[in-house]
Amino acid sequence: QVQLQESGPGLLKPSGTLSLTCAVSGDSISSSTLWSWVRQPPGKGLEWIGEIYQSSGSTYYNPSLESRVTISVDKSRNQFSLKLTSVTAADTAVYYCARATLARYFDLWGRGTLVTVSS
Amino acid sequence: DIQMTQSPSTVSASVGDRVTITCRASQSISSWLAWYQHKPGKAPNFLVYRASSLQSGVPSRFSGSGSGTEFTLTISSLQPDDFATYYCQQYATSPWTFGQGTKVEIK
Repeated sequence: QVQLQESGPGLLKPSGTLSLTCAVSGDSISSSTLWSWVRQPPGKGLEWIGEIYQSSGSTYYNPSLESRVTISVDKSRNQFSLKLTSVTAADTAVYYCARATLARYFDLWGRGTLVTVSS
Repeated sequence: DIQMTQSPSTVSASVGDRVTITCRASQSISSWLAWYQHKPGKAPNFLVYRASSLQSGVPSRFSGSGSGTEFTLTISSLQPDDFATYYCQQYATSPWTFGQGTKVEIK
């Protein structure tokens, strides 16, 4: 079955750039239309970060993060990625990649990866 | 942004109990609501869409209801595998937002 796996550095310094990748296995990333990132700071709820249409590369971001976020897709590697610039301690969170339906609920998730921002 | 508020934050229950979780939206979202189950260290599991439609493969003891601003997720007879945190999510209006979660723990 289709599985998602997040990867990337677990520790970042403030002002750095967070870079994560979500590897899609079990199917082609092109088989689904929309891919997303969601995060959960410690002790807090889930926050949608943004999404990308794999066919066009069009992206939509949460306005609260839009100035710092870039989501991209690499079909040749069957993966999509998240970049978040100018990170602070407030960006410490478990980051999840997810497949979104066109309706915008998330029918498949990765296990998440903890990213800690600390000097 | 549409705020989603879940109650209670924690529910203590026993196997076989009926458990009901409430999710309230800060404005009407029609039936554009999903529910997820999450266990520590695992990928969240998608349960319900459009407020009351069960995802394929989800046990029938789970049910969702509601529309507008008030929604419920009910587990009719709690099973050992159901102890987890449950989240609601609205997808009526971007940015898509989630409730803060309800933890179902063993009594």
